[in-house]
Formats: sequence, C-alpha cells, structure tokens
Amino acid sequence: RKEVEQDPGPFNVPEGATVAFNCTYSNSASQSFFWYRQDCRKEPKLLMSVYSSGNEDGRFTAQLNRASQYISLLIRDSKLSDSATYLCVVNGPGGYNKLIFGAGTRLAVHP
Amino acid sequence: DAGVTQSPTHLIKTRGQHVTLRCSPISGHKSVSWYQQVLGQGPQFIFQYYEKEERGRGNFPDRFSARQFPNYSSELNVNALLLGDSALYLCASSPIDRAGNTIYFGEGSWLTVV
Repeated sequence: RKEVEQDPGPFNVPEGATVAFNCTYSNSASQSFFWYRQDCRKEPKLLMSVYSSGNEDGRFTAQLNRASQYISLLIRDSKLSDSATYLCVVNGPGGYNKLIFGAGTRLAVHP
Repeated sequence: DAGVTQSPTHLIKTRGQHVTLRCSPISGHKSVSWYQQVLGQGPQFIFQYYEKEERGRGNFPDRFSARQFPNYSSELNVNALLLGDSALYLCASSPIDRAGNTIYFGEGSWLTVV
C-alpha cells in the first residue's frame, strides 16, 4: 500500500466548477498535512497547510479526518489558472521535514 | 530575498558517471532536504540535514550521499549513475524541524542519464 494515495485524474472541469480531491495516508503518527501545487516542469509550491479543524483560503478549503486518515481539498469557482497537479503531502516517520508525497491529481480547467 | 537556489538547472550525464548537485537554502534556514521526482510521480524523500547533521534518509541506495556545510548549503552526490536516476532533483529548505513547519522548494536540477 502506498503511504499517500490520490486519484491521479485527470479532472477536466469547466471554468466556474467546483472540484474536490481526496487523499488517504497510511501513517497514523503523521502530524503535518499539506496540499502543494505543481505546474508542469516546475517545483512544488505550498498551496495550504491542513488543520484538524479544517481551513479555508479564498476559493480553497481543506479538511482533515485523522480517524479515517483522509485529507480533502475543495476548489470552488475554478479558474483556468488552477490547472496544475495537486499533491497531497504528509510528514513521514522520523522527521517533521521528511515529506511523503502522493503521486498527484491532475486538474485541467477549460473555458 | 532569494529563495532556495539550485545548480545546475539542467545536466546530461553518461551511465556510470558521478554527479554533484548543489543547493543554497533561504537565508536563515537551517534544514535542507533532497527529493527525487521521476516523471509522473510525486517527489520521493532522499535525505534531510539539520544543523549539519543527517536527520533522515529515504529508501535510496548507497550510491546517493549528501552533506551540509557550515553555511547550511548542501550537496547531493550520486555515484555510478543509472538510466533510472534520470529525474528532477529538488532541494527544500525550512527554518527549523518541527510539526507544521513550512518547507520551500527550489526550482530543481533536471538530470538526464544517457
């Protein structure tokens, strides 16, 4: 079983759509959770951290369910510029700065 | 302020050769990590250094080694290159090593082994 699992997509959605990504992780001891965004042939960039109480940043909402070891990302009112790969990330065993990445979910927003 | 800087940005090597990749963290950041990203996959953790000490090692062969210098910059070395080592190598820095810490990535070094 992979340590972090995501649906690879692609998700093809029209502008203005709402889209949700899900992710599960295997290490119950993980304490840090993130969503990163990666554009084609670029480095990953932090989109948002994910907290147990859930958190929102503009059009983006992240949720964490520790009991189910499940993380989600909701994007509302999709923009063309949201097209990218979204990486679910948790800290691995043995270190807070040791990040375990999912393979990513590709999102394509079309006009 | 400069972000995480990596060099070289692109390089081509032949099987069996050795490569050294370099990373300068954001000023004031003491933790440096290295990741390998093969096409179509998420980044895979290779090493983490904090205050010049190795804090973590991923599931990579001994051909991979790294070190951190007194100025917190870092090198990743790969010996006896294989075709499968072709990947984007990412360096990441963070100020400290604790939960919730924000980690910043450099633009990476694209390595092609032929």
